[in-house]
Amino acid sequence: RKEVEQDPGPFNVPEGATVAFNCTYSNSASQSFFWYRQDCRKEPKLLMSVYSSGNEDGRFTAQLNRASQYISLLIRDSKLSDSATYLCVATGNTGGFKTIFGAGTRLFVKA
Amino acid sequence: GAVVSQHPSRVICKSGTSVKIECRSLDFQATTMFWYRQFPKQSLMLMATSNEGSKATYEQGVEKDKFLINHASLTLSTLTVTSAHPEDSSFYICSARRQGAGGYEQYFGPGTRLTVT
Repeated sequence: RKEVEQDPGPFNVPEGATVAFNCTYSNSASQSFFWYRQDCRKEPKLLMSVYSSGNEDGRFTAQLNRASQYISLLIRDSKLSDSATYLCVATGNTGGFKTIFGAGTRLFVKA
Repeated sequence: GAVVSQHPSRVICKSGTSVKIECRSLDFQATTMFWYRQFPKQSLMLMATSNEGSKATYEQGVEKDKFLINHASLTLSTLTVTSAHPEDSSFYICSARRQGAGGYEQYFGPGTRLTVT
């Protein structure tokens, strides 16, 4: 079993749609979680941190469920520019804790 | 967000030669940097963790004598691909770790596309 698992997709949605991605992690000691975005042939960029209380940044909402060990990302009112691969990340708060990236979920937003 | 640079962005070399890639954290100090490799349409693969002032920690299956890592300062890590072969052609990406509000955040360099002919 992978340490961080994501549905690879692709998710094909029309502009304006709401789309949600889930991600599960296996290490219950993980403390910090993030979503990254990676465009084709580019480096990953930090999209947002995921807090226990959940957090929202514009059209993006991230949630954490520690009991079930999953995190989610909700994108509302999808834009063409949201088309990318979204990477789920789990890590710890100590220096030696390994950061684990999921394989990514591909999203295509179409006009 | 923090800024990480990587140089060169693209390199083409002949089989058997060595290539050095530099990764710099421009606006923060990073005691820990990471080197990843990504093949087309595949996920990031962690190659090694670079620790300032000490030896790098390599992932299973990554040859430490082939991929030399040096982290001599808090803002610079280098990856040298020695005796490169065509199968080493890939997208190499570094990242630097910084303590943020959400925990240890990683910021990535723009990547180096290596082609070995």
